Amino acid sequence: EAQVTQNPRYLITVTGKKLTVTCSQNMNHEYMSWYRQDPGLGLRQIYYSMNVEVTDKGDVPEGYKVSRKEKRNFPLILESPSPNQTSLYFCASSSPTGGAETQYFGPGTRLLVL
Amino acid sequence: AQSVTQLGSHVSVSEGALVLLRCNYSSSVPPYLFWYVQYPNQGLQLLLKYTSAATLVKGINGFEAEFKKSETSFHLTKPSAHMSDAAEYFCAVSETGGFKTIFGAGTRLFVKA
Repeated sequence: EAQVTQNPRYLITVTGKKLTVTCSQNMNHEYMSWYRQDPGLGLRQIYYSMNVEVTDKGDVPEGYKVSRKEKRNFPLILESPSPNQTSLYFCASSSPTGGAETQYFGPGTRLLVL
Repeated sequence: AQSVTQLGSHVSVSEGALVLLRCNYSSSVPPYLFWYVQYPNQGLQLLLKYTSAATLVKGINGFEAEFKKSETSFHLTKPSAHMSDAAEYFCAVSETGGFKTIFGAGTRLFVKA
């Protein structure tokens, strides 16, 4: 089954404790993105990657890091989480061939930073 | 720069009534336009997309949207609402075909019995 998976689905942490949210897709997609969703703001792009070792900032990259060492994985790293990073996070992937524009979304990771 | 405005953060309709969710966009180039739906505690699912082919786009679950360049609009409609349509709907625009996408703030649709 074609899918995007994220782990963990729910996470409670404390300010300053480094964490990583993993994202993996099994569709051989070149493009992957991270978004955060906050009430009244919709989804805002954090980082995106066009291929392995190619990443770029989205609209709200501050406080986040990403890496793309393998095509299927695109982890999101919070080096020193703060309460304003409490949010719902989505990973998405898409391909530049055949229906390139459609993004497939993971189920989301709900993060609470105390 | 591209942007998306969804008019109305909440829309309430009766079951069987017309659904109309409004979306206006700005883009410096011919855009790709999307509508996504999000059911409670789930990720986003594509409803339909415009990619410069037909201006009237049909999607899943009986939804359709019409691209109107002169009005820079891409409103989502469904002739008859069903209880299962209750969800949050997001309009999105991309100038680059998928990896740089701007989303609207979302419209939550309520369907009354």
